[in-house]
Order: sequence, then structure tokens, then C-alpha cells
Amino acid sequence: ETGVTQSPTHLIKTRGQQVTLRCSSQSGHNTVSWYQQALGQGPQFIFQYYREEENGRGNFPPRFSGLQFPNYSSELNVNALELDDSALYLCASSLDSRRPSNSPLHFGNGTRLTVT
Amino acid sequence: RKEVEQDPGPFNVPEGATVAFNCTYSNSASQSFFWYRQDCRKEPKLLMSVYSSGNEDGRFTAQLNRASQYISLLIRDSKLSDSATYLCVVRNSGNTPLVFGKGTRLSVIA
Repeated sequence: ETGVTQSPTHLIKTRGQQVTLRCSSQSGHNTVSWYQQALGQGPQFIFQYYREEENGRGNFPPRFSGLQFPNYSSELNVNALELDDSALYLCASSLDSRRPSNSPLHFGNGTRLTVT
Repeated sequence: RKEVEQDPGPFNVPEGATVAFNCTYSNSASQSFFWYRQDCRKEPKLLMSVYSSGNEDGRFTAQLNRASQYISLLIRDSKLSDSATYLCVVRNSGNTPLVFGKGTRLSVIA
């Protein structure tokens, strides 16, 4: 069984640029969640996609957007990058976000974004 | 008030010591509780779920006090390899996302 994979591992961008991060969900999982972890902080929820539609969003501005594809893989796009967007971006997949769940999430290895 | 609060540490303990971390959460409707471990520059990994009756996994014991809204993690016989950041995590009702504390850093010293 393949776990969650993310690409790229590391990325350096300049302020004002745009970036796309990718996540392949675990086999059989139809929901993908994205989290941002700034240095010294815990991960913060960005948004979640279920069957190609956003079905939950944290306190992030509209320049953070996403997509989910028919194969349930996902992209996180960030426009007009700011220095504070420098962080570890984590993706996790799960099965059917519509149902109440006591299950934890298992994260991919993350993408470390540095904005200069 | 932050939804999940932890002492950031660092906790510096010798090998073999017992160390305990506490965490408080603000939402009394929270339903699921976890401890994650995060190594430097790596993703968080699930250490253990926390159940109402308390649970143990080898040297690790987790406890939940719903009345006081706190969660604890006890590590016995600390190993050098236990050095990491320990994240307290709460899931509120239904399908809501995980809410993380900032983490508590542990350094086990030889």
C-alpha cells in the first residue's frame, strides 16, 4: 500500500511569485487535507478536498487555493508569495471526510517552501 | 486563548529518566485526542491515540482528563532516540480538522 507522497521536497521562491505543491493520496483515500507548519509552530489547517471539491477551510486568505483530481491527488497553489509563507506544507489523505471519524491523520513527508 | 496549549520546553533529561508532558484544550466538545512525534525537519508522525480510560504503548502512557480538559504523555526509561518534538493534537466534533499544539521539545542526554 502506497502512503501519501508530496513533491517537491524543497522549494525556494521569491516574494510575489506563485507556487504549486503536489500530493498523491494513499490508495483508496478520497479526501486530502493540507496543513501549513511555520517554524516553531504546530501545523495549521489550510483546507480539505473531498471528491474534487473543497469541503472545509481554515483561516487562510484566498491566494491559497487548491485542486483535487479524479484520481484524488491534489495541488496546493499559493499566489503572490509573502515571506511569511515560508513553512513546511503537509498533506494527509483519509477516507470519506463526510463521516465522523476518530481516526488520526498520516502525513506525507512535506514540502519545505522558502520565500526570499 | 489558544485551542491547544503545551509547554514548549525544552525538556532536557538524562537517559533513563521519566518525563511527562501536559497539554490543555479549550473546546469541551473535543472528541479525539492524539500525540504526534516530530523529528527535526520531518513530518509529524502519530505516536499514539489517547483514550478516555488511558492507554499504554510500551514506555509511553497517555491519559485524558475530560473534566479538566487536559491530556498527558508519560515517557519512561527515556532513550536518546526519544529526542523530538511532541505535538498534542485534538479533533473536535464530526469531521473537523486536527488542531495542533505548538509542541514540546524533548532532548534526552547521554
